[in-house]
Amino acid sequence: GEEVAQTPKHLVRGEGQKAKLYCAPIKGHSYVFWYQQVLKNEFKFLISFQNENVFDETGMPKERFSAKCLPNSPCSLEIQATKLEDSAVYFCASSLQPEQNEKLFFGSGTQLSVL
Amino acid sequence: DQQVKQNSPSLSVQEGRISILNCDYTNSMFDYFLWYKKYPAEGPTFLISISSIKDKNEDGRFTVFLNKSAKHLSLHIVPSQPGDSAVYFCAASEGPNRGAQKLVFGQGTRLTINP
Repeated sequence: GEEVAQTPKHLVRGEGQKAKLYCAPIKGHSYVFWYQQVLKNEFKFLISFQNENVFDETGMPKERFSAKCLPNSPCSLEIQATKLEDSAVYFCASSLQPEQNEKLFFGSGTQLSVL
Repeated sequence: DQQVKQNSPSLSVQEGRISILNCDYTNSMFDYFLWYKKYPAEGPTFLISISSIKDKNEDGRFTVFLNKSAKHLSLHIVPSQPGDSAVYFCAASEGPNRGAQKLVFGQGTRLTINP
């Protein structure tokens, strides 16, 4: 597709439940990024992929968070045993060419609310 | 620690006048800077960028200025239009293959253009 598609748009989970978010990057894009935006503040980098390989995971919390980008499937971000502080908007972005940082296309985000 | 800072949470400007949004950074390794614009319930969209080897980049009504010695950049919008009302995020990255590098974002500045 011609846009980064994120599903679901909204997700509500009770504390301790699992949350799984999906991202379909633009077809042909090699890099996928996940960012977390808490309380409409700055975007915090979580993880990036080059195709199905983890490229940079320096922002991923060591516990509870995991992500995958498998061939022919949407990428996913999974949070085990959600906590209240995980409430945020999670944005996925993709890019085509590594030399062109401005060509980073963002999805509309998934609003995760942990109650 | 906040490596990219936007100290003005909001800015109000009259239509037709110049809007100036400011951004400061602390990491001297940053070599690429970008501005993103964000409307509610949408992902950020790329606006303009500048490499650290330049001090100015212009694209239509938008100009970004970089002062490396002060670790400061600014975005000028002239003339400002009502459609420019949005939240503007400053972002920075370091390293080669820019499209592969994570972005470090500021907290954003909400710009309101008054008719």
